[in-house]
Amino acid sequence: EAQVTQNPRYLITVTGKKLTVTCSQNMNHEYMSWYRQDPGLGLRQIYYSMNVEVTDKGDVPEGYKVSRKEKRNFPLILESPSPNQTSLYFCASSLSPGGNTGELFFGEGSRLTVL
Amino acid sequence: GNSVTQMEGPVTLSEEAFLTINCTYTATGYPSLFWYVQYPGEGLQLLLKATKADDKGSNKGFEATYRKETTSFHLEKGSVQVSDSAVYFCALSGYTGNQFYFGTGTSLTVIP
Repeated sequence: EAQVTQNPRYLITVTGKKLTVTCSQNMNHEYMSWYRQDPGLGLRQIYYSMNVEVTDKGDVPEGYKVSRKEKRNFPLILESPSPNQTSLYFCASSLSPGGNTGELFFGEGSRLTVL
Repeated sequence: GNSVTQMEGPVTLSEEAFLTINCTYTATGYPSLFWYVQYPGEGLQLLLKATKADDKGSNKGFEATYRKETTSFHLEKGSVQVSDSAVYFCALSGYTGNQFYFGTGTSLTVIP
């Protein structure tokens, strides 16, 4: 089954404790990206990757890091989480490098709470 | 820059009512436009798309037409069902195709 898998789905952590949210896709997609969803703000792009070893900042990259060492994986790293990073996070992938064929495939989301 | 503005919710309709969710955009170049739907507890999934002016996207009874002159991409459905209850997001893919911009989402509840 074609899917984007995120882990963990739910996480409660404390300020400053490094964490990683993993994202894996099995569709051989070149394009992957991370979003955060907050009430009243919709989805905002954090980082995206056009291909292995190619990453770039989205609209809200502060406080986050990513890496793309393999085509299928695109982890999101919070080196020192803060309460303002409490949010619902989505990983998504798309077939074409440009992403403009439109279909982003989303994971089920990871709800992160930073105390 | 690029941005998407969609009507505020929540929207509550009775079953079989007509639905319109307004969406307007600001973009440089020639963006592609999309509607995504998010059912409770799930990730977003593509509902329909249009990649150039005057294109009409359609799926599951939903339609939206890419209007360049009014920079709009309004979502419509002639007769909603309870199963259409979800959050709907209008989105655009910028000229380079690297970034997607989403509206704030419109929550729809359809009551029997």
